[in-house]
Amino acid sequence: NAGVTQTPKFQVLKTGQSMTLQCAQDMNHNSMYWYRQDPGMGLRLIYYSASEGTTDKGEVPNGYNVSRLNKREFSLRLESAAPSQTSVYFCASSRQGDGDEQYFGPGTRLTVT
Amino acid sequence: LAKTTQPISMDSYEGQEVNITCSHNNIATNDYITWYQQFPSQGPRFIIQGYKTKVTNEVASLFIPADRKSSTLSLPRVSLSDTAVYYCLVGVSGGYNKLIFGAGTRLAVHP
Repeated sequence: NAGVTQTPKFQVLKTGQSMTLQCAQDMNHNSMYWYRQDPGMGLRLIYYSASEGTTDKGEVPNGYNVSRLNKREFSLRLESAAPSQTSVYFCASSRQGDGDEQYFGPGTRLTVT
Repeated sequence: LAKTTQPISMDSYEGQEVNITCSHNNIATNDYITWYQQFPSQGPRFIIQGYKTKVTNEVASLFIPADRKSSTLSLPRVSLSDTAVYYCLVGVSGGYNKLIFGAGTRLAVHP
């Protein structure tokens, strides 16, 4: 039981490049989330998926797109990376809504130059 | 959204009890109070959740007064490994409040 896994662990992009962050959970959870965390700050919600087939915006969705591929997988795409998107990205899942215990992945450290 | 306020940082020594208080004056009737712990370079980890009175698990206790406008996370006999950031959140269990993690409380435990 791996919990929540994320790939890649580290990534360096040049401004304007695109990439997709992958997230998968094996806990049969309905809800999944993408957060970003800037140095010394708390987490900010980018997008979430209440259940398979649904997605919704969080606090800071601009510049990102998401896909809930199936119940297990939730990907985050940066279409045209900007230096302001340099951050650590965490994926999380929960049984139901965000008031339930959320299980977090190890994070992806992204640097945009 | 229920806004929470907690101290930016705290210091303690090994073996002491640490109490971190969170203020949530506009908590809604259906909101639960949840605390997470985050170590450097890791994602947050759930510690404890409660609705009212007192909740205790193997890691911590959560004290919630009758008016529920604040809550206190109590960590008994802390060790160096408890050095982390602690986040207080309020939200409806099973709901989608777009929980706000805030900056949290940085706890430093000293030898």
